Amino acid sequence: DVKVTQSSRYLVKRTGEKVFLECVQDMDHENMFWYRQDPGLGLRLIYFSYDVKMKEKGDIPEGYSVSREKKERFSLILESASTNQTSMYLCASSTGNSYEQYFGPGTRLTVT
Amino acid sequence: AQRVTQPEKLLSVFKGAPVELKCNYSYSGSPELFWYVQYSRQRLQLLLRHISRESIKGFTADLNKGETSFHLKKPFAQEEDSAMYYCALTLIQGAQKLVFGQGTRLTINP
Repeated sequence: DVKVTQSSRYLVKRTGEKVFLECVQDMDHENMFWYRQDPGLGLRLIYFSYDVKMKEKGDIPEGYSVSREKKERFSLILESASTNQTSMYLCASSTGNSYEQYFGPGTRLTVT
Repeated sequence: AQRVTQPEKLLSVFKGAPVELKCNYSYSGSPELFWYVQYSRQRLQLLLRHISRESIKGFTADLNKGETSFHLKKPFAQEEDSAMYYCALTLIQGAQKLVFGQGTRLTINP
């Protein structure tokens, strides 16, 4: 069974703080993704990575960066959190030749 | 650019009634389409994909290239079908990233 875990279920941060969201998968998947999920907007891709140290921008990368130093771990970084980054953040992974993505439980981030 | 549209944010039907969740897409090439589902307090998971042509939990979806649609259907809704449903597409040849629709929250009334 594929397991994707995220470091926190709920997180509250102040405006201007640096925020780290961690995601770990245990199935040796090549691809990893970060989305934000907002009511009425669906899931929007922030960044994805198809290999260690490789990353590509998604549809809404502004205000975010990522890091993938190890295959199993993909971190999302908010350099200076803002209130409009309050959202549910979902991590996902997939194998190199599959389009099926496996999702983590999500981190609900509130920026005050 | 690829785009997925789910015109209904909310859909409410009675138990035993047929249900159809609409999905339209725009892409000039050959996409692969999916339905993902998120039940209350559970993580998002794949429900079905058009290439496999399977029925999962009584749901089916047919790709209509002429109408660029991939509607999800079930003839008799059950209360456990209440969930958030997302339609998604990806290119058959290309990066494995998905483009999701806005989602439809389905509520099955007893």
